[in-house]
Amino acid sequence: EAGVAQSPRYKIIEKRQSVAFWCNPISGHATLYWYQQILGQGPKLLIQFQNNGVVDDSQLPKDRFSAERLKGVDSTLKIQPAKLEDSAVYLCASSLDSRETYEQYFGPGTRLTVT
Amino acid sequence: QKEVEQNSGPLSVPEGAIASLNCTYSDRVSQSFFWYRQYSGKSPELIMSIYSNGDKEDGRFTAQLNKASQYVSLLIRDSQPSDSATYLCAVNIGQGYGNKLVFGAGTILRVKS
Repeated sequence: EAGVAQSPRYKIIEKRQSVAFWCNPISGHATLYWYQQILGQGPKLLIQFQNNGVVDDSQLPKDRFSAERLKGVDSTLKIQPAKLEDSAVYLCASSLDSRETYEQYFGPGTRLTVT
Repeated sequence: QKEVEQNSGPLSVPEGAIASLNCTYSDRVSQSFFWYRQYSGKSPELIMSIYSNGDKEDGRFTAQLNKASQYVSLLIRDSQPSDSATYLCAVNIGQGYGNKLVFGAGTILRVKS
């Protein structure tokens, strides 16, 4: 069974530029999560989708971050404009369903550096 | 008070010893608990899940849960240098579709050969 796929793996941009990350979850997983992990910290949930609907985006900085999951499968996370403090690893995870606490599986992540 | 707390370490143990990693959480109604292992530069990898009070064993790993004390731990027996990593404790909060995981900051484990 293929795992969670993410691209790109690395990205370096200048502040005020925009960037987009892509995620393809494990086949059959209804729930998709985007996390931000800053060095030395645990992953912090940015947004959670159940199929193509948003369940939780309470920690998403909506003035600069946006995310979509149009067909209930792939998802894109965008940052526009980027700030220096956005330098982090962006992790995508998926689980069977969010109605129960199913185990979450992570993709390899995208390491973003904002200069 | 943080929702999930872990000692940041590093915890250093000699090869072959038992490593004990601890985690406390604040939400009394949490029902699901997970341990993830994260190697430097890699993403978190799920190694254990536990839902009921008591012990759950899987190979060299044992997860222990005490809901009354709001405490969950991970024991690694016969520690190997390859176990050197950051171990993240994750706890579910909320119910239904609002159910989500909150992660601790992780404990760095170093196993010395």
